[in-house]
Amino acid sequence: DAGVIQSPRHEVTEMGQEVTLRCKPISGHNSLFWYRQTMMRGLELLIYFNNNVPIDDSGMPEDRFSAKMPNASFSTLKIQPSEPRDSAVYFCASSSGTLTNEKLFFGSGTQLSVL
Amino acid sequence: AQRVTQPEKLLSVFKGAPVELKCNYSYSGSPELFWYVQYSRQRLQLLLRHISRESIKGFTADLNKGETSFHLKKPFAQEEDSAMYYCALSAQLTGGGNKLTFGTGTQLKVEL
Repeated sequence: DAGVIQSPRHEVTEMGQEVTLRCKPISGHNSLFWYRQTMMRGLELLIYFNNNVPIDDSGMPEDRFSAKMPNASFSTLKIQPSEPRDSAVYFCASSSGTLTNEKLFFGSGTQLSVL
Repeated sequence: AQRVTQPEKLLSVFKGAPVELKCNYSYSGSPELFWYVQYSRQRLQLLLRHISRESIKGFTADLNKGETSFHLKKPFAQEEDSAMYYCALSAQLTGGGNKLTFGTGTQLKVEL
């Protein structure tokens, strides 16, 4: 298994543009997480899906952010319109179960720069 | 609400010196705690979890419920330990599954 796959690896866009980040979790995993990493705040959980259903989206910063998981093998995080303060590394992670001691597997991340 | 605090953004030690990365948590339930590590140009990965009571790469971490701490320790730092370390706390959600909350991370730099 190639692990959690994210695309693109890098995204540079201009303020106001729509940005779509993609994630393919590990096959068989039923939990998927989107995190944002910044120097100031570290890793922040944006949204969490369990069996394709959003369970906790309290970390989504504002209405400009949205996430979907149309099936077990694909998820998107969309920012519309994007702003410079959205610049960060966005990570997707998946896990196989719902126990609290489950290990998370992370993707390589998408480095987003909004100019 | 759950919260994880890592007070140090950067910790610099000499090779062979002891290392202690601090982590404190706030959670009303029974905590499940982890340390994740991100080496340069690599993915974030699990280092160890308290439930396993294991030692990985010479690192150990003991859960102290009285002090609500889960500090990461290693007696003798090695150059390859240089990385970003995240402490994390897991809690079950009423809607199903679990939520992993991370601290802000500590960059460990081991100098020769």
